[in-house]
Amino acid sequence: EAQVTQNPRYLITVTGKKLTVTCSQNMNHEYMSWYRQDPGLGLRQIYYSMNVEVTDKGDVPEGYKVSRKEKRNFPLILESPSPNQTSLYFCASSTDTRGEKLFFGSGTQLSVL
Amino acid sequence: GENVEQHPSTLSVQEGDSAVIKCTYSDSASNYFPWYKQELGKRPQLIIDIRSNVGEKKDQRIAVTLNKTAKHFSLHITETQPEDSAVYFCAASRYTGTASKLTFGTGTRLQVTL
Repeated sequence: EAQVTQNPRYLITVTGKKLTVTCSQNMNHEYMSWYRQDPGLGLRQIYYSMNVEVTDKGDVPEGYKVSRKEKRNFPLILESPSPNQTSLYFCASSTDTRGEKLFFGSGTQLSVL
Repeated sequence: GENVEQHPSTLSVQEGDSAVIKCTYSDSASNYFPWYKQELGKRPQLIIDIRSNVGEKKDQRIAVTLNKTAKHFSLHITETQPEDSAVYFCAASRYTGTASKLTFGTGTRLQVTL
């Protein structure tokens, strides 16, 4: 089954404690991206990756890091989480190389206390 | 950068009625306009999209129209059913030659009542 798998689904942490949200896709997609969803703000892009070892900033990259060492994996790293990073996070991959038709993962609800 | 405004933020219709959600965009170079549906607690899913060289596209009960001159596009759902209840997001993007950057609207919560 084609899917984008995120882990964990729910995470509660404290300010400053480094964390990683994993994302893996089994569709051999080149394009992957991370979004955060906040009430009243819609979906905002954090980072995207066109291919292995190629990443670029989205609209709200501050406080986040990503890496793309393998085609299937695109982890999101919060080196020092802060309460304003409490959000619902979605990883997505694209069926096309332009990154237009997005296929989203199930989401990770992060709470930073 | 691109700015996408979406209206209304909430919409309640009776089953069988039509629903219309409207979006405006700011970047005249945007050329791709998808719509995503997000059911409660679920992931957003692409339901229909349109490119700037097309004025209208239909898929069963849903259709999208685009007015490039006015820089707005709309989602039309006819004969609404309870399973249409969800949050709908519009988006606009421009292909830069390397990648397309999608900018999403803030969402419309559609409630279909019996």
